[in-house]
Amino acid sequence: DTAVSQTPKYLVTQMGNDKSIKCEQNLGHDTMYWYKQDSKKFLKIMFSYNNKELIINETVPNRFSPKSPDKAHLNLHINSLELGDSAVYFCASRLDRVNSPLHFGNGTRLTVT
Amino acid sequence: AQSVTQLGSHVSVSEGALVLLRCNYSSSVPPYLFWYVQYPNQGLQLLLKYTTGATLVKGINGFEAEFKKSETSFHLTKPSAHMSDAAEYFCAVIINTNAGKSTFGDGTTLTVKP
Repeated sequence: DTAVSQTPKYLVTQMGNDKSIKCEQNLGHDTMYWYKQDSKKFLKIMFSYNNKELIINETVPNRFSPKSPDKAHLNLHINSLELGDSAVYFCASRLDRVNSPLHFGNGTRLTVT
Repeated sequence: AQSVTQLGSHVSVSEGALVLLRCNYSSSVPPYLFWYVQYPNQGLQLLLKYTTGATLVKGINGFEAEFKKSETSFHLTKPSAHMSDAAEYFCAVIINTNAGKSTFGDGTTLTVKP
């Protein structure tokens, strides 16, 4: 199946821990994104990579670090997790054309206790 | 700068009734407009998009939207709601000069009553 897949689906961890979320797309898209969706369902862009190059970096704490080993993968590493990091994190991808829609993964629900 | 406003965070309709979800945008250049749907515990899926050309666009599941430049609107409609339409709906805008960054509205939760 062609898709955007992210793992894990659920992540429960304690404050202060470091965790990673992985994302892969087999759609041949050029650009990948990380979005954060809070408890009110608001979506906020965090990062975007185009062909392994960072092109969007919103105001996100330095504890969040994206890594793109190749254009099909974009991982998110979070250091020193805080309670406020609890949210659903979505990976997405799209073709590098301005009118191309986003294709989303099914999300990773992160709960920090 | 670009922004999107979705009027009404919650909309409730009866099964078979008209669905109208409102979206207004702000953009200094011609925008590209999208509607996405999010079912529980899933990612967002594209419903439809407006890029250029015909201002009335049809999407999946019987939804359509009309781009009205004079009103800076892109409202989503469906003539007859089905129980399976209950979901969260997001309007989004991209403009050409913003590295392909999508700006999303705050979402509208659609409830369909039997």
